[in-house]
Formats: sequence, structure tokens, C-alpha cells
Amino acid sequence: GAVVSQHPSWVICKSGTSVKIECRSLDFQATTMFWYRQFPKQSLMLMATSNEGSKATYEQGVEKDKFLINHASLTLSTLTVTSAHPEDSSFYICSAPPRTLFSYEQYFGPGTRLTVT
Amino acid sequence: ELKVEQNPLFLSMQEGKNYTIYCNYSTTSDRLYWYRQDPGKSLESLFVLLSNGAVKQEGRLMASLDTKARLSTLHITAAVHDLSATYFCAVDASGTYKYIFGTGTRLKVLA
Repeated sequence: GAVVSQHPSWVICKSGTSVKIECRSLDFQATTMFWYRQFPKQSLMLMATSNEGSKATYEQGVEKDKFLINHASLTLSTLTVTSAHPEDSSFYICSAPPRTLFSYEQYFGPGTRLTVT
Repeated sequence: ELKVEQNPLFLSMQEGKNYTIYCNYSTTSDRLYWYRQDPGKSLESLFVLLSNGAVKQEGRLMASLDTKARLSTLHITAAVHDLSATYFCAVDASGTYKYIFGTGTRLKVLA
């Protein structure tokens, strides 16, 4: 079954408003989570690394003041898109590293589709 | 900066045919992953390749890794319509699970 969930799966918001996306690890603790963004018909791009109890680290070119990441617990990371604009419309996918040392594959969430009107 | 390129970007093939998707990457890495993505969905894991010469097969798909050539292949045997999807390779060069995804290959299998 799914080990990483996201909420909501789909959201529409008006330009200028903020929207929060949640990423939860189910039945395991994730001190690190990752956020990816995927524009239509494009590949996935790593946006940032979410670290429990400390600041997120952002990839080059990602505006940290626009994409606020909070990892307040060992099972929850949130991505808040502030002052959203239509160009922020995208598919946002979170992921978490494997639960054990013997697995090298991380778990991807089901994604959240954001549409900014 | 690590770059991961796939070719072809688009592939339209007849059912029953064979074809190979290539994934080239620019920096040394021993970890390479293949994923399938259906429209509107997240990623479905296909293969995890962790060493030079690794070969894995599942059904009509077979993946291999040549770390010296920095090349991975995804071979499709006797394609069926259900294989229509976008396929991504991803490289974890730093071993930190920060994946760099390939450009993706959109596969359409025609009946």
C-alpha cells in the first residue's frame, strides 16, 4: 500500500492567494522529505529538501520565500505556495527516503495538482 | 552539474515490436532508477539498478546499467498497448536520494 500520502490531490486557487500542500509518511518516520515539481509534459525537477526540525534546503533557482517548506514533525512536511501565480500551476510530488538501510528506493507520493487561475 | 538525458523523447511503436529507450547521464553514479508515469498520476517504480552490469527484467521490460559508459537502457519486448506511458530514468549521484530525472520518453503503443 501507499507509504507516502499527499493532500489535497487537486487544488484550484486564485492568483495572489496562498495554498498549502501536505506530505505525510505513513507508518514510518521521515526526517527528510523531498519536493519535486513537474510542469505539463515535462520532467520532474527537485525543488527542495525538507528537514525535520531545521530549515529546508532549496535547489538553485527555487525561490525560498515563495515556496515555504515546514517539516514540523517526523511524519509531515508541508509546502506552501505563497502569492500564487498562474505560472505556479504544476504537479507537485513529494518523496521520502526508504525506511530501512537495505532498501535504496525512495517512496513517492501520489502528487498534488495545483491550478492557479 | 549532473545532466540526465533520454532518447528518444517520443516513441510510437506497433504492438509486438521491440524497442530500446536510452538514458545517458553526465556524472558517475551507481544508482539508477526507472519509473513509469501514467497521465495525471505519480510515479510507479519499475527498476532499481545499483551496480555496473546490473540487469533486471519484469515482464516485457528489461533494464540494464553500464556505469562506465554512464548509460542505462530500458528494453521493451513485444510491446502491448498497456505499456503506453511516459518512462523516466532517475540518477542519484550523491547517494542522498536527491534524484535527477531524465527528460522522459513518451511511449505510445499502437494496436
